[in-house]
Amino acid sequence: DAGITQSPRHKVTETGTPVTLRCHQTENHRYMYWYRQDPGHGLRLIHYSYGVKDTDKGEVSDGYSVSRSKTEDFLLTLESATSSQTSVYFCAISESGAGNEQFFGPGTRLTVL
Amino acid sequence: AQSVSQHNHHVILSEAASLELGCNYSYGGTVNLFWYVQYPGQHLQLLLKYFSGDPLVKGIKGFEAEFIKSKFSFNLRKPSVQWSDTAEYFCAVTSGSGNTGKLIFGQGTTLQVKP
Repeated sequence: DAGITQSPRHKVTETGTPVTLRCHQTENHRYMYWYRQDPGHGLRLIHYSYGVKDTDKGEVSDGYSVSRSKTEDFLLTLESATSSQTSVYFCAISESGAGNEQFFGPGTRLTVL
Repeated sequence: AQSVSQHNHHVILSEAASLELGCNYSYGGTVNLFWYVQYPGQHLQLLLKYFSGDPLVKGIKGFEAEFIKSKFSFNLRKPSVQWSDTAEYFCAVTSGSGNTGKLIFGQGTTLQVKP
């Protein structure tokens, strides 16, 4: 398995609180992605990174921000969590973008009450 | 915008039955196509992928998929399913141009195999 860890694995928080999820990789891959998985929607891209300090929005980026200060870490922040952000969040990595397999982390289950 | 549609949301089969899961995408340019599987409680794993060349792609665990460009389809098949194939299956596409690798996923198909 690719060396991808996500923390925390489970989190319950309240509406309005900030939340940061961490993705850590040991593969030195350039590309990192954050997806959310919801029933009936499959996985949807939130944000992605194509290098240190280089990030861009995905299809469902509203309410989320990201940062990548090191190759190995990609942080996803919910500035003010809402119940609609209750979901399972997956991080993925890829060596070189288009055409390459993405390897997925174990996921973080986030519940916003 | 690109989109991926999986026609079957929930499929129930008996062991040894044949499987075909439909996947259609909407994008007129060059695409890369993937099937991922998510076993209960686990993360997504790649089953197979198509970039170019032979449109019949073979993956792990006896799965295969056929890319039919004229139909914008990439259906997944397996001749004889096993109970261990119970999982959720996702079709995904990324544009063949550019280098972002952004995946667009279908809604997923839950496969339940009865022993």
